Amino acid sequence: QVQLQESGPGLVQPSETLSLACNVSGGSISNYYWSWVRQPPGKGLEWIGYVYYTGSTSYNPSLRTRVTISADTSKSQVSLKLSSVTAADTAVYYCARQLGFKGYMDVWGKGTTVTVSS
Amino acid sequence: QSALTQPRSVSGSPGQSVTLSCTGSSYDVGGYKYVSWYQHHPGKAPKLMIYDVNKRPSGVPDRFSGSKSDNTASLRISGLQAEDEADYYCSSYAGSYTYVFGTGTTVTVL
Repeated sequence: QVQLQESGPGLVQPSETLSLACNVSGGSISNYYWSWVRQPPGKGLEWIGYVYYTGSTSYNPSLRTRVTISADTSKSQVSLKLSSVTAADTAVYYCARQLGFKGYMDVWGKGTTVTVSS
Repeated sequence: QSALTQPRSVSGSPGQSVTLSCTGSSYDVGGYKYVSWYQHHPGKAPKLMIYDVNKRPSGVPDRFSGSKSDNTASLRISGLQAEDEADYYCSSYAGSYTYVFGTGTTVTVL
């Protein structure tokens, strides 16, 4: 059974880069898309972007200039980098396995909370 | 790319049925048959409940059903149970390999 575990700093300084990792266990990252989704406090879910195991990516247009998502098949790990963060980037960040280009996410991590504050 | 519009909350008594709506545009919900629904209990991982508008993943009770008409998708929960109390989000393919979620609906079981 595939399990996802997000990890990274819980506190990031404004204007710096948020970096998170998603470790995939119980299965291979090959042949799947891997998405990042976030939920700001009191708000709904927001799709950030995905990486296919080959390295191809797609990003939310509103975040495209600041986001980089990558996959490391040797480590079974997916990474998220979000640059120039502000308080508006404070959220719970989830990684999820995505079934093809239609966008269905069938396995999710439990999420990790990131606060942007000085 | 704007969030899909969902009612903030709906409620029902145990055993009743509730229907959640998800309104988008011809650029997302109305343009594709790629709508999904997620159940989210706060503090837990979201769970895929419906995909391809009306298909249920293995293990999801048939009390949950989905449909779509023009730019609006719907999720119906029949025979409401206490464990159905959660937040529900719709999601749609929005073209160019991008996706959009709904604003979310809180379902309360009275």
